[in-house]
Amino acid sequence: NAGVMQNPRHLVRRRGQEARLRCSPVKGHSHVYWYRQLPEEGLKFMVYLQKENIIDESGMPKERFSAEFPKEGPSILRIQQVVRGDSAAYFCASSPRVISGYTFGSGTRLTVV
Amino acid sequence: SQQGEEDPQALSIQEGENATMNCSYKTSINNLQWYRQNSGRGLVHLILIRSNEREKHSGRLRVTLDTSKKSSSLLITASRAADTASYFCATVEANAGGTSYGKLTFGQGTILTVHP
Repeated sequence: NAGVMQNPRHLVRRRGQEARLRCSPVKGHSHVYWYRQLPEEGLKFMVYLQKENIIDESGMPKERFSAEFPKEGPSILRIQQVVRGDSAAYFCASSPRVISGYTFGSGTRLTVV
Repeated sequence: SQQGEEDPQALSIQEGENATMNCSYKTSINNLQWYRQNSGRGLVHLILIRSNEREKHSGRLRVTLDTSKKSSSLLITASRAADTASYFCATVEANAGGTSYGKLTFGQGTILTVHP
């Protein structure tokens, strides 16, 4: 098991395009979290999902951002009509239980040009 | 100020020395966790300490938690050049009902440089 897999590692999008970031959690982990890290900053919580359910999306911008974790397949973070301010590293983490240490992926670095 | 603020922001030491990083937070917590991030990489979970614990060890790592002061410290003993990384503390808040889920609130991190 290779841990949390995120792809792509790097993504370049022009302003106005859509960005789709994928996260495959550790096998058997049913809790998935997305975090965003701006340069020189710590990680900021975006959304917490369990299979087919969004549990907490309080960290997600109200518009253009959405996340899903379908019954089959990876979790997807979708950013529509990207703007330069969306440029950041997006990390996915998974855990087997509600309260535990988390396994983080290597992140997707989004650059909006 | 943010939940989970680390101090110092940057720390530079020689190999073999000990490194101590501090973290302060604001709310009641269920647990506090420390993570390491190498440049351009993801985070690696180091240690989790629960709110009813005061000290925890893992290899060369020692973590303390003082809930009365809302602070934690991470001590790395006998540091190595490979310990060079950013270190983050992250808290899981205790909800009013006594239940929590694992949303992490991160601090800004301490950049540790260990010189060979």
